Amino acid sequence: NAGVMQNPRHLVRRRGQEARLRCSPMKGHSHVYWYRQLPEEGLKFMVYLQKENIIDESGMPKERFSAEFPKEGPSILRIQQVVRGDSAAYFCASSQREGVDEKLFFGSGTQLSVL
Amino acid sequence: AQSVTQLDSQVPVFEEAPVELRCNYSSSVSVYLFWYVQYPNQGLQLLLKYLSGSTLVKGINGFEAEFNKSQTSFHLRKPSVHISDTAEYFCAVSGGYNKLIFGAGTRLAVHP
Repeated sequence: NAGVMQNPRHLVRRRGQEARLRCSPMKGHSHVYWYRQLPEEGLKFMVYLQKENIIDESGMPKERFSAEFPKEGPSILRIQQVVRGDSAAYFCASSQREGVDEKLFFGSGTQLSVL
Repeated sequence: AQSVTQLDSQVPVFEEAPVELRCNYSSSVSVYLFWYVQYPNQGLQLLLKYLSGSTLVKGINGFEAEFNKSQTSFHLRKPSVHISDTAEYFCAVSGGYNKLIFGAGTRLAVHP
């Protein structure tokens, strides 16, 4: 049973380009969470999605960032017109159900570097 | 609003010595607390969690943590560390469902 898969592992973009980060949750998991880790900081919650629904996007920047989790396929975190400040590690996590007692499984992350 | 403060950014320790990684939290609602470990180039793994019940929580790899409500602390301890425990450790509090608020992390460096 594969874990949470994120790709690519490393993504390099120039300022103004678009970045697309993919996350395939564990098999049987329908809840996906995206977190961002800036250098020397802890992870910061961005967005919580269930299949085809955004449940909580309170941590998403108001502009340029969007996320989706379609009925089929991986969850996508999309960053338009990237800036240097978007450089960070982006982690995806999944769980089988909602609830604080549900175990959260993390992927290995995508390291985004903006030149 | 909930927050987590990890009091030490780095903790060096010799192999087989005991270690304590400190964590203080602030929460105005029911408190659910977690410790995660991050090995280089990997995602986070759950070490242990406190949801309710006994204030002493045992986790994987010989780690344990004690929930202290009066001191708003959830310190992580291990009586004897190994080189393989070298990693970054994150304390977190739940902001509801699996929305976690993380501390800035503590880098544990175990030396031979």
